[in-house]
Amino acid sequence: DAMVIQNPRYQVTQFGKPVTLSCSQTLNHNVMYWYQQKSSQAPKLLFHYYDKDFNNEADTPDNFQSRRPNTSFCFLDIRSPGLGDAAMYLCATSRDRLNTEAFFGQGTRLTVV
Amino acid sequence: KQEVTQIPAALSVPEGENLVLNCSFTDSAIYNLQWFRQDPGKGLTSLLLIQSSQREQTSGRLNASLDKSSGRSTLYIAASQPGDSATYLCAVPSLEYGNKLVFGAGTILRVKS
Repeated sequence: DAMVIQNPRYQVTQFGKPVTLSCSQTLNHNVMYWYQQKSSQAPKLLFHYYDKDFNNEADTPDNFQSRRPNTSFCFLDIRSPGLGDAAMYLCATSRDRLNTEAFFGQGTRLTVV
Repeated sequence: KQEVTQIPAALSVPEGENLVLNCSFTDSAIYNLQWFRQDPGKGLTSLLLIQSSQREQTSGRLNASLDKSSGRSTLYIAASQPGDSATYLCAVPSLEYGNKLVFGAGTILRVKS
């Protein structure tokens, strides 16, 4: 029944070691989002895809990249994780830019050691 | 710039109490407003979406109202239960932000049995 699926649920990576988080959706939505959420804070948008069109937020560090090989999948790559990148990473989808009802996955908790 | 504020930041109530969570936003030109629930260490679960043309939406014990002109929404939870304990976030799409969601910081709710 899960419509937005994130893997893994928990990820431990070493400082500076590249890591990839994945998100898949069965909703056939055009828009996919990646958010970063630190403890007790609101989710912060990193970037989003409208179909294949990639949109980076101005304050997203270059260390964060994303790929969307097809409608169903989207990946978040962190090239050189630092201790400050430890957070919950949330993937979300919406049908399009006007129909903005968002559906979230269960998140990936990233720990950097 | 759209800003979303949620009051109170935290709330602790005895089981069975009716309660109200508040959300305010600075730019009233919105398409909709969405309320989410977040359990500790989990992703966001959509509770209710209110379109800008609607004044309220109901789902079970939850009722959300929207007053666009005053920039306010309330989430009413009837007969609260310990299982309602979670963080509740509201979010609005920001027209100047390409309709991406802007979140409040959330209200942490604890219902004591």
